[in-house]
Amino acid sequence: EAGVVQSPRYKIIEKKQPVAFWCNPISGHNTLYWYRQNLGQGPELLIRYENEEAVDDSQLPKDRFSAERLKGVDSTLKIQPAELGDSAVYLCASSFDRGDYEQYFGPGTRLTVT
Amino acid sequence: QKEVEQDPGPLSVPEGAIVSLNCTYSNSAFQYFMWYRQYSRKGPELLMYTYSSGNKEDGRFTAQVDKSSKYISLFIRDSQPSDSATYLCAMKRTGGFKTIFGAGTRLFVKA
Repeated sequence: EAGVVQSPRYKIIEKKQPVAFWCNPISGHNTLYWYRQNLGQGPELLIRYENEEAVDDSQLPKDRFSAERLKGVDSTLKIQPAELGDSAVYLCASSFDRGDYEQYFGPGTRLTVT
Repeated sequence: QKEVEQDPGPLSVPEGAIVSLNCTYSNSAFQYFMWYRQYSRKGPELLMYTYSSGNKEDGRFTAQVDKSSKYISLFIRDSQPSDSATYLCAMKRTGGFKTIFGAGTRLFVKA
């Protein structure tokens, strides 16, 4: 069974440019998470989806970040415009149910903003 | 103060050593305690989890939870170079939907 798929793996952009990340969770997993991991830090939740509904987006900087999970399967996270401080690894994870302690992570997208 | 504190290391040990990794936490409502392993350029993967307090063993790995001290540990016996990775502790409340991660400890096992 395929794991969580993310693309692109790496992205380098100039500040003020837009960028988008894509995630395809494990088949049948209802809950999808987007995390940001800064260098030397653990993952920090940006947004959590239950099917197609965003149920926890309190940590998402809504002035520049947006996300969607149409049809409750794959998801896109967008930043517009990007800032230097957005350089980080963006991880997507999924779990079968919102209460699951185990999350399955994708390999992440490493974003560098110059 | 962060809800979960973890020494970032790095921790360097010789092959075959016993490794002890630790986290402290402040939220007494945490009941699920997980350890994730993250190799370089990869996403974290669940290594072990413990519910409430006590010990759990899986091969060379042992997880311990001391809720009275708000302290959790992961022990690795007979460490191997393939154990070189970042180890993240993570916690969540029963009925809660948010997992809080520690900063991760970088471990290097030298052959």
